[in-house]
Amino acid sequence: QVQLVQSGAEVKKPGASVKVSCKASGYTFTRYYFHWVRQAPGQGFEWMGMIYPSGGSTSYAQKFQDRVTMTRDTSTSTVYMELSSLRSEDTAVYYCARDTSIYGYTLDYWGQGTLVTVSS
Amino acid sequence: DIQMTQSPSSLSASVGDRVTITCRASQSISSYLNWFQQKPGRAPKLLIYAASSLQSGVPSRFSGSGSGTDFTLTIRSLQPEDFATYYCQQSYSTSLTFGPGTKVDIK
Repeated sequence: QVQLVQSGAEVKKPGASVKVSCKASGYTFTRYYFHWVRQAPGQGFEWMGMIYPSGGSTSYAQKFQDRVTMTRDTSTSTVYMELSSLRSEDTAVYYCARDTSIYGYTLDYWGQGTLVTVSS
Repeated sequence: DIQMTQSPSSLSASVGDRVTITCRASQSISSYLNWFQQKPGRAPKLLIYAASSLQSGVPSRFSGSGSGTDFTLTIRSLQPEDFATYYCQQSYSTSLTFGPGTKVDIK
């Protein structure tokens, strides 16, 4: 069965960077895009960007263009999202999600989420 | 970016009720609309894709309709496990956007 397992919670100081991992299993890793979406406490969802594991091409939301880097390791079926220059407003749960591409960008499986807390 | 709105923002309902949630896009998105359910502390769960297609494993009491800018999620007979927050999401443009959510709680 398809599973996306993310790395554990992080606490970071303002100005630092965080790198969240998302390990996929149960299907052919390189076949589907991944997206990263975050949800601030009590808030809605914010799309951060996407990566295609086969080749590693990326597309980032303009808001995060200069601070986010998405990579993948095909040998371990893992995608990564690194966010730099953290500020308090980056405190959120970060999710990875698989895109079936069945009709547009459709996120059918999600990781369990990784809470990133930015605090001095 | 395409802006998504939902109404109502919250509603109270009883088990067995029929519940309808609406979602509106700021421009036409054809049928590129998905619906998710989220429970506290959990990841979202895909319910409906392409505006009206039921995701595998989702009970048939959930249905979606609409195209262009106006969409609807209907829960035919609300069950105890359906109390949650529901979000729409446009899958038309690369910069994905979500509605603000509709919280369904127990009357």
